[in-house]
Amino acid sequence: AQSVTQLDSHVSVSEGTPVLLRCNYSSSYSPSLFWYVQHPNKGLQLLLKYTSAATLVKGINGFEAEFKKSETSFHLTKPSAHMSDAAEYFCVVSGSGTYKYIFGTGTRLKVLA
Amino acid sequence: DTGVSQDPRHKITKRGQNVTFRCDPISEHNRLYWYRQTLGQGPEFLTYFQNEAQLEKSRLLSDRFSAERPKGSFSTLEIQRTEQGDSAMYLCASSLEGRVSEQYFGPGTRLTVT
Repeated sequence: AQSVTQLDSHVSVSEGTPVLLRCNYSSSYSPSLFWYVQHPNKGLQLLLKYTSAATLVKGINGFEAEFKKSETSFHLTKPSAHMSDAAEYFCVVSGSGTYKYIFGTGTRLKVLA
Repeated sequence: DTGVSQDPRHKITKRGQNVTFRCDPISEHNRLYWYRQTLGQGPEFLTYFQNEAQLEKSRLLSDRFSAERPKGSFSTLEIQRTEQGDSAMYLCASSLEGRVSEQYFGPGTRLTVT
C-alpha cells in the first residue's frame, strides 16, 4: 500500500525567508511523487513532479523538491517566500500499477508580512 | 478555456434527494478521475475511467454513487438518496495516458446536504 505523511499541518514563515514543507512517503514500488497547491476557492495546481529521473526537481514559482530514497522523503522548498505563496499544499504519491493519486492531509502555509 | 470544467460549482440539496454532477475533461485526455475532499482533508480517490471504461473504484464509492463516461468524453457522477455525510467538494481531474502523466484538476463542485 502507498501513503504519504505531511509532517506539518501548518507552517508560518516571514516574507522573504525560506520555505520548507515536509513529506514522507511509503511505497512498495518506485513511486511517482507530486506537489500540488490549492489556493482558496481555486482548483489544485501542479507545482512539480518526480518520476524517477533527476532526484532534484524544479517546479513553478521557484519551488523545488528533492527525492531522497534512503529517507523516503520528498520535501518541498523555496528560497524566499512571497505573500502569494500562502495556500494549502498537498504531497501526492502514485504508482504501483494504479494511476490514482494518494494525497497527504495538506500543509497550510501562512506568509507573514 | 481549455482546462477541466465542472458543473455545477455549488449544489445545495435536501437529504434523500438525488444529485448529478458533470465533468468535462481536457479534450485530448483519455483518463478521467473523481475525488472527494472534505474540510481540512486531502482529496480521496473515488473512481477513474480510461476512455469509457471504469477501471477502478474506491470502497468509498458506495452503491448510492454511480459514475459514467458514456462516450469517453464528459463524465457524470450521481449520488442517490443523499446523506449529510455526502457534503464535500467533488473534484474531477483528467490526464493523458501514460505511467506518470500528471492530473489536471477542475474547480470542483461543492455539495451541501441539509
